[in-house]
Amino acid sequence: NAGVTQTPKFQVLKTGQSMTLQCAQDMNHNSMYWYRQDPGMGLRLIYYSASEGTTDKGEVPNGYNVSRLNKREFSLRLESAAPSQTSVYFCATGQPVNTEAFFGQGTRLTVV
Amino acid sequence: KNQVEQSPQSLIILEGKNCTLQCNYTVSPFSNLRWYKQDTGRGPVSLTIMTFSENTKSNGRYTATLDADTKQSSLHITASQLSDSASYICVVSAGLRNAGNNRKLIWGLGTSLAVNP
Repeated sequence: NAGVTQTPKFQVLKTGQSMTLQCAQDMNHNSMYWYRQDPGMGLRLIYYSASEGTTDKGEVPNGYNVSRLNKREFSLRLESAAPSQTSVYFCATGQPVNTEAFFGQGTRLTVV
Repeated sequence: KNQVEQSPQSLIILEGKNCTLQCNYTVSPFSNLRWYKQDTGRGPVSLTIMTFSENTKSNGRYTATLDADTKQSSLHITASQLSDSASYICVVSAGLRNAGNNRKLIWGLGTSLAVNP
């Protein structure tokens, strides 16, 4: 039982490159989230998926796209990376009805 | 606007001492509040949840309180240990009872705690 697994853990991109962050959960939760965390900014929601087949924008969706492939997997894509997207990205799953969220180990992304 | 504010922003204490972290929220309608601990380089991990009807809840050396009237919560750490060094984040769930999993999570910025030997 791994919980929430994110890949990769570290990534360096050049401006304009694209990449997909992968996330998978084995907790059988409906809700999944992508957050970014920057110093002094706290956790900010990029996109979330309340259930398989649905996705919604969070606070900071610009420059990102997501795919809820199935109940287990929720991927985040950067089509054309920008230095402003340098951040730590966390995938999470849980039950927002009780503020519960289980986080992956994070992806540290640097865009140069 | 739904907001969660935490204080202090950072705190340094000596090992063995107690400390209290504060969380004030302006979230409506309030559903519940949870405290998370985030170690450096890792994702947040839940410590405790407070619902509207609860005033105090303990989890080992961590005790959380909630005053729903003043919209304040605190996290008290007793007999601190070096391993308590982390960021502590307060998050509030906003939404009506029938919103279910469409409730929004409002995250605070966290308090960075350093416990020194």
